[in-house]
Amino acid sequence: DAGITQSPRYKITETGRQVTLMCHQTWSHSYMFWYRQDLGHGLRLIYYSAAADITDKGEVPDGYVVSRSKTENFPLTLESATRSQTSVYFCASSESGDEQYFGPGTRLTVT
Amino acid sequence: GQSLEQPSEVTAVEGAIVQINCTYQTSGFYGLSWYQQHDGGAPTFLSYNALDGLEETGRFSSFLSRSDSYGYLLLQELQMKDSASYFCAVRSSTDSWGKFQFGAGTQVVVTP
Repeated sequence: DAGITQSPRYKITETGRQVTLMCHQTWSHSYMFWYRQDLGHGLRLIYYSAAADITDKGEVPDGYVVSRSKTENFPLTLESATRSQTSVYFCASSESGDEQYFGPGTRLTVT
Repeated sequence: GQSLEQPSEVTAVEGAIVQINCTYQTSGFYGLSWYQQHDGGAPTFLSYNALDGLEETGRFSSFLSRSDSYGYLLLQELQMKDSASYFCAVRSSTDSWGKFQFGAGTQVVVTP
């Protein structure tokens, strides 16, 4: 089906483990984004990408790594998970940048 | 840097009109976007203003004044399903292309 999907939808992991969150879109949008959402902070940009192989840091990139080898995929990796990374993670895509379409989110808990 | 301010909560009755204000400070400016998010759901795009003035989309309208660094989202004929959080977002024109910043959100509570 067309759209933007994220996997897994829920994840529990332990401190220090590596975790990868997947994001896939079928619109061939050029721009893709990763946000985290915590109570009281709204949405904070982690990383974004303007095209395949082009990525840049957002507001809160520390502890995260991204790649974009294909236009449709934009995985986010937590290299060594910490409790402060417990959050809801949203991936978004956009053709223009200013109208973003969000995936359903991944609820990550780090114990 | 960028900062956005919007009220934390607004309560109104069904059928009423609600205005959610958003003031921003940014070293450069492309435009102001609005998103809606229901509890447990993903944000959904509502509107985007790059130029001054009012944009109307059904019951929702969005306004921008670049000279005042101010915008608002107007929700008319409120319905129970409009109970949600509403976020304004800006993209700076002098920062890296994609550095969007979202406000903390305004929770709209619609009562019968």
